[in-house]
Amino acid sequence: QQQVKQSPQSLIVQKGGIPIINCAYENTAFDYFPWYQQFPGKGPALLIAIRPDVSEKKEGRFTISFNKSAKQFSLHIMDSQPGDSATYFCAASRGRGSTLGRLYFGRGTQLTVWP
Amino acid sequence: DGGITQSPKYLFRKEGQNVTLSCEQNLNHDAMYWYRQDPGQGLRLIYYSQIVNDFQKGDIAEGYSVSREKKESFPLTVTSAQKNPTAFYLCASHGTSPSEQYFGPGTRLTVT
Repeated sequence: QQQVKQSPQSLIVQKGGIPIINCAYENTAFDYFPWYQQFPGKGPALLIAIRPDVSEKKEGRFTISFNKSAKQFSLHIMDSQPGDSATYFCAASRGRGSTLGRLYFGRGTQLTVWP
Repeated sequence: DGGITQSPKYLFRKEGQNVTLSCEQNLNHDAMYWYRQDPGQGLRLIYYSQIVNDFQKGDIAEGYSVSREKKESFPLTVTSAQKNPTAFYLCASHGTSPSEQYFGPGTRLTVT
């Protein structure tokens, strides 16, 4: 059973556009929601993360929006660039219990930004 | 440089052979993880270890084995019992901030 559902599977935008990737979860014990960026042939790298006590977090051109009541969160990339073309994964984890630190990943979104 | 190293980057094996993938970290992290990545499937957890000499099965542990004899090292053995071993394998670790996992560069295993 997929604990974190991610959509869309792929996304194509033009340079300067604002791609939005959405994720949803069911487990209310989750309290940490990171996004990872992965380039082909490389390991994922932590991009930005949010905790449920805030509704939005920005780091540069990347913004996470978080809706606790809907159990959804999304990644927005402002002024997207061809160099942002990568696969993006959302994830969730809970900070307590024997599975401390374990991340549950979405299936990924392959983003292509055309110049 | 601190980080996670995985070797080799590419690995080719014949069906029926066991193969061991290396994962080493010099970040002084207690917890280490192995994931398998297939196209469209995301990252699926194989095994994880939160302390030396202890490890737990993840969601897809069948056909795999691990050991954790040293804090720095968490090798993964893909056994001949794994039905579809061809995949991209990723090792990760985290320290005192449990959810901030850092990934290695991965090993692409091809079994023919």
